[in-house]
Amino acid sequence: EVQLEESGGVVVQPGGSLRLSCAASGFTFHDYTMHWVRQVPGKGLEWVSLINWDGISTYYADSVKGRFTISRDNSKNSLYLQMSSLRTEDTALYYCAKDRTPQGYSYADYWGQGTLVTVSS
Amino acid sequence: SYELTQPPSVSVSPGQTARITCSGDALPTKFAYWYHQKSGQAPVLVIYEDSRRPSGIPERFSGSSSGTMATLTISGARVEDEGDYHCYSTDSSGKRGVFGGGTKLTVL
Repeated sequence: EVQLEESGGVVVQPGGSLRLSCAASGFTFHDYTMHWVRQVPGKGLEWVSLINWDGISTYYADSVKGRFTISRDNSKNSLYLQMSSLRTEDTALYYCAKDRTPQGYSYADYWGQGTLVTVSS
Repeated sequence: SYELTQPPSVSVSPGQTARITCSGDALPTKFAYWYHQKSGQAPVLVIYEDSRRPSGIPERFSGSSSGTMATLTISGARVEDEGDYHCYSTDSSGKRGVFGGGTKLTVL
């Protein structure tokens, strides 16, 4: 059974930094592209970033480019999102999600339950 | 940046057909995907690659795409189909994802 468990969400001040983690199990982690998606409570989903299966290629939404860094440790079956220069508009529930296609890019087929990041003074 | 546009809300009576649209300039060449999300839960995929239905998703869910618009159709909508529906696709590079703003479906 595929399981994704996010952690690291806390309350942080504007301008601060934070690292989110996602522990994956139930599938061959190093074969799959992984995504971060966020959702302001009560609002729509926003795709944030993806990293390919071997960690070499990364892509970002314009809203976070230059401030967030996605990474992975395939030896630990873990995905990360380093967030810096945080803004109040980054407040959201952050989901970790697995891509459907081995060694490809398509869509997220499994999602975690999310970790809440609140940016507030 | 690339955007997908959905109506904010759709309302139907039980048993009626609900149609939710998603428009985007890259949809003629990129697949659309549809997720259903109930309050407090993670999204669940209901349609992938424009019109394919994952196992376990009822047959009343179908999808289509023509030109710059993709459509999710729920034939014979049920109360349990209520919630938010999000379309997803990628920009022309195929590497950056994008979601529509979401559509709240009410069945009553």
